Amino acid sequence: GENVEQHPSTLSVQEGDSAVIKCTYSDSASNYFPWYKQELGKRPQLIIDIRSNVGEKKDQRIAVTLNKTAKHFSLHITETQPEDSAVYFCAAPIRGSGGYQKVTFGTGTKLQVIP
Amino acid sequence: EAGVTQSPTHLIKTRGQQATLRCSPISGHTSVYWYQQALGLGLQFLLWYDEGEERNRGNFPPRFSGRQFPNYSSELNVNALELEDSALYLCASSVPSLIRNTIYFGEGSWLTVV
Repeated sequence: GENVEQHPSTLSVQEGDSAVIKCTYSDSASNYFPWYKQELGKRPQLIIDIRSNVGEKKDQRIAVTLNKTAKHFSLHITETQPEDSAVYFCAAPIRGSGGYQKVTFGTGTKLQVIP
Repeated sequence: EAGVTQSPTHLIKTRGQQATLRCSPISGHTSVYWYQQALGLGLQFLLWYDEGEERNRGNFPPRFSGRQFPNYSSELNVNALELEDSALYLCASSVPSLIRNTIYFGEGSWLTVV
């Protein structure tokens, strides 16, 4: 199907611990995988992305890994802080019935960092 | 550079009325996406326009419609409003590239149906 599956739907971690969110996608032609963070009452904002020609990308406490063979990618947040609490969405371009690759979002993960 | 702009920020309508929401994409972006986000829930895909054409449509009834203008701005129309249409409507834009499909969101329009 034309979808991106995301797990878990909710995640609670203690401040300082790591958090991992996983997504799988259906289209083997997908080549770009962004992650968005949406704070309460605000718009989703891009926090990190990865292209299919690399397996991992890091930006300070955030990293994304990609396994193209298995068609899954993950977001890793280390040393979590209360301000990391938000809903996180993964996305991938999925080819639909019309032949166009449409940006398709996962269902979101609500991350709660407990001080 | 201006980001994606949406108007109005808030809109209150009565059940049965029509609502029109507007979106201006980032300069140079030709693709516009519309999403509905009910409180606390995920991003439900509504419509995708590119170069003035509708590329894809989500699982919404026909009373949700839209269009894209020659300047790539877009309009979302919701007819015969129902209470469950109350949500945040997010517009996003991107370049139509298969290499990098980053989409950028506007602040959204809050629609309340009473």
